[in-house]
Amino acid sequence: DADVTQTPRNRITKTGKRIMLECSQTKGHDRMYWYRQDPGLGLRLIYYSFDVKDINKGEISDGYSVSRQAQAKFSLSLESAIPNQTALYFCATSDAQGLTDTQYFGPGTRLTVL
Amino acid sequence: AQSVTQPDIHITVSEGASLELRCNYSYGATPYLFWYVQSPGQGLQLLLKYFSGDTLVQGIKGFEAEFKRSQSSFNLRKPSVHWSDAAEYFCAVGASGSARQLTFGSGTQLTVLP
Repeated sequence: DADVTQTPRNRITKTGKRIMLECSQTKGHDRMYWYRQDPGLGLRLIYYSFDVKDINKGEISDGYSVSRQAQAKFSLSLESAIPNQTALYFCATSDAQGLTDTQYFGPGTRLTVL
Repeated sequence: AQSVTQPDIHITVSEGASLELRCNYSYGATPYLFWYVQSPGQGLQLLLKYFSGDTLVQGIKGFEAEFKRSQSSFNLRKPSVHWSDAAEYFCAVGASGSARQLTFGSGTQLTVLP
């Protein structure tokens, strides 16, 4: 079984709809992250959480919100989806080790907003 | 602020040929450097990482990378490419301290010719 799972894997929605992407992990890591990937731009950080009570904005948080329901679950919401939020979304986890962390990624969710 | 540049958007090599993918970083302190690979339809898989110590780092799938502080580079190499290495490769720099965020380059797409 995969250590980091994302649901759904693909989603097509319409402008203005509310969308939730979910991430679950069995690695036992405290830290979780949401990124989006756009062609030619690499991955950009949306939000990150170091524990259940700690939520932080990343580089491109506008238009997104998150919820850390438990250590193993971290959800990303688009309250009112718009076409430029069409992208590949990745969840990642890490365990605080030493001076920096190694992040492990889920398989991604491809979101299309029409 | 940290940044990563991958100068080559797309590289094509023949199977069996050697490979070098370039990565240049900008970071004000000791960098923590990573290479990830993304196969079509897959999430990101960690190839190797550099935190400290020996500047030549060995990774999975026969890849290695060399950290050169004087050149602010962390180039990925493989002596003999296999068709299964066709994928997109991302270099990333990690921050130390409380933030510990990853900043990714824009990626290099590798095509392997038979």
